[in-house]
Amino acid sequence: DTEVTQTPKHLVMGMTNKKSLKCEQHMGHRAMYWYKQKAKKPPELMFVYSYEKLSINESVPSRFSPECPNSSLLNLHLHALQPEDSALYLCASSRTSGAEAFFGQGTRLTVV
Amino acid sequence: GQNIDQPTEMTATEGAIVQINCTYQTSGFNGLFWYQQHAGEAPTFLSYNVLDGLEEKGRFSSFLSRSKGYSYLLLKELQMKDSASYLCAVRDVDGSARQLTFGSGTQLTVLP
Repeated sequence: DTEVTQTPKHLVMGMTNKKSLKCEQHMGHRAMYWYKQKAKKPPELMFVYSYEKLSINESVPSRFSPECPNSSLLNLHLHALQPEDSALYLCASSRTSGAEAFFGQGTRLTVV
Repeated sequence: GQNIDQPTEMTATEGAIVQINCTYQTSGFNGLFWYQQHAGEAPTFLSYNVLDGLEEKGRFSSFLSRSKGYSYLLLKELQMKDSASYLCAVRDVDGSARQLTFGSGTQLTVLP
């Protein structure tokens, strides 16, 4: 299994909603990442988990809250988002932090 | 900090060869990756260089010169399906944390 699976594929949420994005991998990778990507822009790193511990938080607003329940799962909890948070949210994993990253297909998030 | 530069757009003809350049300035270089991203899809890994020289993988080759802070991705025998964004990503080391930072990407259009 060489896949990173993200759910849902599409999400529309209001500014007062609470929702969660989920990511799963079964490659035994010990590093997992959340990236945000706006149209025609490169992916921007949000968070890095290494061995289930948060190792990098790129000054992301607290309305985004990551969680790593175990080595295979990574969640991103969303609360009180703004319309400008609408983007493609990509999860990735790698064998170790900084190694070749495998990306999921992303969740297309629209905040209304 | 890091600064990664790539051309924004390139156009080439089916069957031709195209070279996409990437220059970088980083405080702690630890490898360079090339990814391909089709519109609306996740980035997929193409190549990795950490030592100077050329890495060849089928129709794709990647070159690195660490002293010049320079890499290129060479695509041979271009096919229509090669139309995509090509992202250069640099891995650096900040203490014990290693992370990838992406360039803005080069949008390649292959014409018949």
